[in-house]
Amino acid sequence: GESVGLHLPTLSVQEGDNSIINCAYSNSASDYFIWYKQESGKGPQFIIDIRSNMDKRQGQRVTVLLNKTVKHLSLQIAATQPGDSAVYFCAENMDNFNKFYFGSGTKLNVKP
Amino acid sequence: DTAVSQTPKYLVTQMGNDKSIKCEQNLGHDTMYWYKQDSKKFLKIMFSYNNKELIINETVPNRFSPKSPDKAHLNLHINSLELGDSAVYFCASSRIPASGGAEDTQYFGPGTRLTVL
Repeated sequence: GESVGLHLPTLSVQEGDNSIINCAYSNSASDYFIWYKQESGKGPQFIIDIRSNMDKRQGQRVTVLLNKTVKHLSLQIAATQPGDSAVYFCAENMDNFNKFYFGSGTKLNVKP
Repeated sequence: DTAVSQTPKYLVTQMGNDKSIKCEQNLGHDTMYWYKQDSKKFLKIMFSYNNKELIINETVPNRFSPKSPDKAHLNLHINSLELGDSAVYFCASSRIPASGGAEDTQYFGPGTRLTVL
């Protein structure tokens, strides 16, 4: 399953399928990006990051892709599990600015 | 052991009241933050302190006043609460101010849900 951010804030996938969560970031000067996972009733939790000099980074079951040309970031989750159900945020940081700007979030529902 | 803790977890109060939310981190980090998350889950930074010094002060009403008595604590005091202040407030900490690297990864607390009636 795949989301398109603001236009589709909820993504439902079957357990075992791959998920793709998309994020359009706002500033072409942003050079560092993070994906966060927020489970219900909890604070955001770091998943994976990527710098602007890379276009792909892999973690355990997660991959982040960065397309600077169109200012687009995606998070791919392989073999999605019920425990992956959460809201996912992308966040961008510009060098020399001591803060992150968060995207609006996408809710991932994993159906057993 | 909780790395970033906030109290209270829930806060229900009347308009016009003054309330405080406390935050403590035991990670030895130098930088702490307050974020506001609205009903649509939009997360926005409010303040950041580094070594007890204010480094980020976003466009926030001056009814909101952060206080950092030491590096491990950043409290948020809100005067004359308004309906629009209802939200979940998250405290976070990082080893250094956000600068685009692994060392500035922010660790978030569990949040305080503030409801203003």
